[in-house]
Amino acid sequence: AQSVTQPDIHITVSEGASLELRCNYSYGATPYLFWYVQSPGQGLQLLLKYFSGDTLVQGIKGFEAEFKRSQSSFNLRKPSVHWSDAAEYFCAVGPANQAGTALIFGKGTTLSVSS
Amino acid sequence: GAVVSQHPSRVICKSGTSVKIECRSLDFQATTMFWYRQFPKQSLMLMATSNEGSKATYEQGVEKDKFLINHASLTLSTLTVTSAHPEDSSFYICSARGQTNTEAFFGQGTRLTVV
Repeated sequence: AQSVTQPDIHITVSEGASLELRCNYSYGATPYLFWYVQSPGQGLQLLLKYFSGDTLVQGIKGFEAEFKRSQSSFNLRKPSVHWSDAAEYFCAVGPANQAGTALIFGKGTTLSVSS
Repeated sequence: GAVVSQHPSRVICKSGTSVKIECRSLDFQATTMFWYRQFPKQSLMLMATSNEGSKATYEQGVEKDKFLINHASLTLSTLTVTSAHPEDSSFYICSARGQTNTEAFFGQGTRLTVV
């Protein structure tokens, strides 16, 4: 079955510390992978995406993610967290080259930032 | 990236009434649009997929007579919640994808409250 797992429901990180949010996926076809961020009551903002090529992708706001096919993972990282990064983060997977198929989302990880 | 506009951002309606949510692709032709529902502190759950000019395909458990989806043009899809009940209160998000797009773009979401 196709699925996305975000093992950590809630993470608290000190401001300035590094961050890693985990994402594992199960997908039968070649996947496209995404990370989105959602602030309370807001829509989704795309942080970064992986389609092909370099397995380390850079996104907005200083985020990066590494695609590891052997581990079926696409973990999100940031070297130094800012208080404004506190939000809900969703990992999602979609099919390559199939415009008519929706994304499958993980359950999300809530990030809290302590001072 | 492409812009998807969703309107209204917030709506309050009385039980038994209907409410329409619009999703517009502003700078591209959306051959496919997706409607998601998000419960508090939950992930996004796909409700239906609509292709321009065709009937929407609903996910299992979603009442098609209650959640009417129309995708009459390449830039507009609407979701109408009919005979709304308080349990329909939720955050609804649309996304749109063009034929040449490798990703879908999300609207800002609509917070529906049924009183």
